[in-house]
Amino acid sequence: QSVLTQPPSASGTPGQRVTISCSGSSPNIGSNSVNWYQQVPGTAPKLLIYSNDQRPSGVPGRLSGSKSGTSASLAISGLQSEDEADYYCVAWDDNLNGPVFGGGTKLTVL
Amino acid sequence: EVQLLESGGGSLQPGGSLRLSCAASGFTFSNYAMSWVRQAPGKGLEWVSGISGSGRISFFADSVKGRFTISRDNIENTVYLQMNSLRAEDTAVYYCAKDHSYGSGSYGALDYWGRGTLVTVSS
Repeated sequence: QSVLTQPPSASGTPGQRVTISCSGSSPNIGSNSVNWYQQVPGTAPKLLIYSNDQRPSGVPGRLSGSKSGTSASLAISGLQSEDEADYYCVAWDDNLNGPVFGGGTKLTVL
Repeated sequence: EVQLLESGGGSLQPGGSLRLSCAASGFTFSNYAMSWVRQAPGKGLEWVSGISGSGRISFFADSVKGRFTISRDNIENTVYLQMNSLRAEDTAVYYCAKDHSYGSGSYGALDYWGRGTLVTVSS
């Protein structure tokens, strides 16, 4: 059971906009920033979003992050086949004194 | 170019010990916190441990606290994870990752990752 809750799966067709949610609580998302990763099976994770809504260089603008209260979201617009991967949110937890990951969401491009 | 290369993984029996190494290059190593993150077969990501750039501050997940230690050598640009009293549930690919934040680490925003090293604990 992960501290941060994500839907296990999401899907969309090419060109669509999809969002992936991440629900937490006061000591984690409620008090700290959220980061998002993409992981293609068999490869290392890739940082997509840091500090709730900031994109590292090289991450396309069609990916965006947001946070409100104890929840966060990752939005992917103009869905492409290459977006098919697992997505994870993570935030520092003040009670556990370390970062906690969500359980991950498998995104399928139909 | 930033590169992280893990080594030291392998197969061993429960109760054993193993030391993982992560050799870093392409950035000023001492300026960045480093973390270890693991992924059990078919499962999600789990942050394991992190260490500040100076090496003076470290953090551990509850699941490994008291069994694992983390250290770094800022001359050799290497971070280590010493794993003792290993259990079957420690079986995973262990990734070394560089913190995105210069100076004080965030430990959650990790911008460069190694390819990982597999640790298998089984009797």
